[in-house]
Parts: sequence; C-alpha cells; structure tokens
Amino acid sequence: DTEVTQTPKHLVMGMTNKKSLKCEQHMGHRAMYWYKQKAKKPPELMFVYSYEKLSINESVPSRFSPECPNSSLLNLHLHALQPEDSALYLCASSQDLGRGGTEAFFGQGTRLTVV
Amino acid sequence: AQSVAQPEDQVNVAEGNPLTVKCTYSVSGNPYLFWYVQYPNRGLQFLLKYITGDNLVKGSYGFEAEFNKSQTSFHLKKPSALVSDSALYFCAVRDTNRDDKIIFGKGTRLHILP
Repeated sequence: DTEVTQTPKHLVMGMTNKKSLKCEQHMGHRAMYWYKQKAKKPPELMFVYSYEKLSINESVPSRFSPECPNSSLLNLHLHALQPEDSALYLCASSQDLGRGGTEAFFGQGTRLTVV
Repeated sequence: AQSVAQPEDQVNVAEGNPLTVKCTYSVSGNPYLFWYVQYPNRGLQFLLKYITGDNLVKGSYGFEAEFNKSQTSFHLKKPSALVSDSALYFCAVRDTNRDDKIIFGKGTRLHILP
C-alpha cells in the first residue's frame, strides 16, 4: 500500500466556518507534510511532522492549525479563512527525516474554496 | 541554501519524439534529487530519484534522468513521448541542512502534440 488518502476531495467553506482536512497513510512513514498549492505553481510547504511532533512551521498564519494524533493520521484545522486561502491542499508522507534520499508520497489533495 | 531551477515554463514535443525537461540544482553536500509529475487537479506522483551511484536513473512510465555533476543538472528524459505524458513536471531537492525539507522547482508544463 503506497497510498496517502485525503478527505474531503472538495470543500467549500465560508469565512466564519471551522473545518478540518484529514490525511491518512499506512506505510509506516514517520514524517508527514502539509503543502498548499496555487494553480500552475509549485507546492509550498506549510508544516512538517516527524514522529508526531511538529518539526517545521513555515510561518503559517494561525488560522491554519495542524494536528498529528498518531503516526498514521494528520489533520489540518481551518478557522476564519480568507478567500486567498483557496487552493489545493496536499498531504504527503515519507519514511522519516534525516535520510535525505527518501521520496515523499502525495495524496490527491483537497480542493478548498473559501467564499 | 539548496535550490533547483527549471528554466522552461513549457515544453512542446511531437508524439513519438524524444523529450527532455531541464533541471539544474544548487546544493551544498550530497544532492538528493527527485522528479515528480502532476496531472490536472491531482496530487504529485513520484517518478524517480538520484541519491548516489549511476548517473543515469530509470524511473516510472519509461522516464529516466541523467545526473551531471559538472553541469549541476538533472534533466528528465524519455525516448518516445506519449500524449498521456502531457502534465506538469516538478524537479525537487531535499534540503539536508534543514530537516530534509523538500524544495520544488517552479514546474515545467509538458505538451505532447498528437
């Protein structure tokens, strides 16, 4: 199983809503990532978890709140988003950090629209 | 800081012809280089990687990449292009100085013309 599963696939939310994006992998990977991708642009790193601890926060606004409840799950909690936050949100996982040469496996993404 | 550059926004190739998508890198230490492909409204799919060893790396879907240390390049190649290869291609590098953060190039859109 080399799959990273993200739910939901599509999400429309108002600026006052609270919602969560979910990501799951069963490859035994210990590093998990959240990326934001705008149309025709490369993914931008938001957060990295290593062994369920937050390793990197790329100065992401507090309206995005990550959570890693266990080694297989990664959530991204959303609150009071802005229309400019509309994007494709990608989750990824890799074996772990510190080995350099390990590839990351990406989910299909959640297409988020903020209205 | 580690970085990769993709000099072409778009590459057009006729079906059946060989294709090359260019990538150059700037790293300190050993380079860990990757190619990913993205189809519309989908996530990224891993194609291949270079860690060490042979300079010619073979990957998924008939793609290969040539690591050239003297030219600091890692170009993606395929001997015979298919229309289904049309997609967005990203070169990437692991930043081993910062928790193995993955850094992507800007991407190159590949159009295979029937």
